[in-house]
Amino acid sequence: SQKIEQNSEALNIQEGKTATLTCNYTNYSPAYLQWYRQDPGRGPVFLLLIRENEKEKRKERLKVTFDTTLKQSLFHITASQPADSATYLCALGVNYGQNFVFGPGTRLSVLP
Amino acid sequence: ETGVTQTPRHLVMGMTNKKSLKCEQHLGHNAMYWYKQSAKKPLELMFVYSLEERVENNSVPSRFSPECPNSSHLFLHLHTLQPEDSALYLCASSHRNTEAFFGQGTRLTVV
Repeated sequence: SQKIEQNSEALNIQEGKTATLTCNYTNYSPAYLQWYRQDPGRGPVFLLLIRENEKEKRKERLKVTFDTTLKQSLFHITASQPADSATYLCALGVNYGQNFVFGPGTRLSVLP
Repeated sequence: ETGVTQTPRHLVMGMTNKKSLKCEQHLGHNAMYWYKQSAKKPLELMFVYSLEERVENNSVPSRFSPECPNSSHLFLHLHTLQPEDSALYLCASSHRNTEAFFGQGTRLTVV
C-alpha cells in the first residue's frame, strides 16, 4: 500500500543546532516533493520544492535533499531558533503533479 | 496573508443543518483543492478542481458537495453531517506542478 512517513511525531532540539527531519515514502513515484510549515490552527505555508531530477535545494537556513532511490527526503534547518518551532509537513506531487499527498508531519520544538 | 481567503473561520452546526464553506483566491491559479485535517491524522485530500473541472474525488461522502463556479472561487456545501466530520477544512490553490497556497482554514464543529 502507499505510505508516507515522517521520522517522528515530535522532535526537540537545542537552539543553534541543526534540525534534521525525514520523509520516507513507499509505492509512490512523485514528480516532486515539497516541505511546508504549519503553526497551530493555521494553514500550511510552503517552504521548498524539489523535483525528482534534483538532489538538493537551499533557501537561507533551509536545505532539502531528495533521493528517489532511497525514496527519502531530508529537511535541514541550520542554526535553529525558537521561532522555528512548528509542525513540518512533507508533500508528494503525484498524479503527474496534479495532486499533493501529505505526510503526517513532525512537530519540532527548538528549546532556548 | 497567502492570497487564499476562507470564510467563515469557525462554524458550529447541528447534524440537520445545511451550511457552505467559501474559498477565494486572486493569485491567478488554475487548480483549487479542499483538504480535511483531523486531530492526529495527516491532511486528507477531498476534492481537486483544475480549470474549474473536478478531477479528483477521494471517496468523500455525498454529504460533502463541492462547487467551483469560476477559477477564483470554491465552495464546500455541507448537509446532514456527523460529529466525526468535525475538523479543520483547508482550501488551497496552485498552478500545476508548483507549490500550493493555503487559506487559514475553517474550524468546523458538528454537534
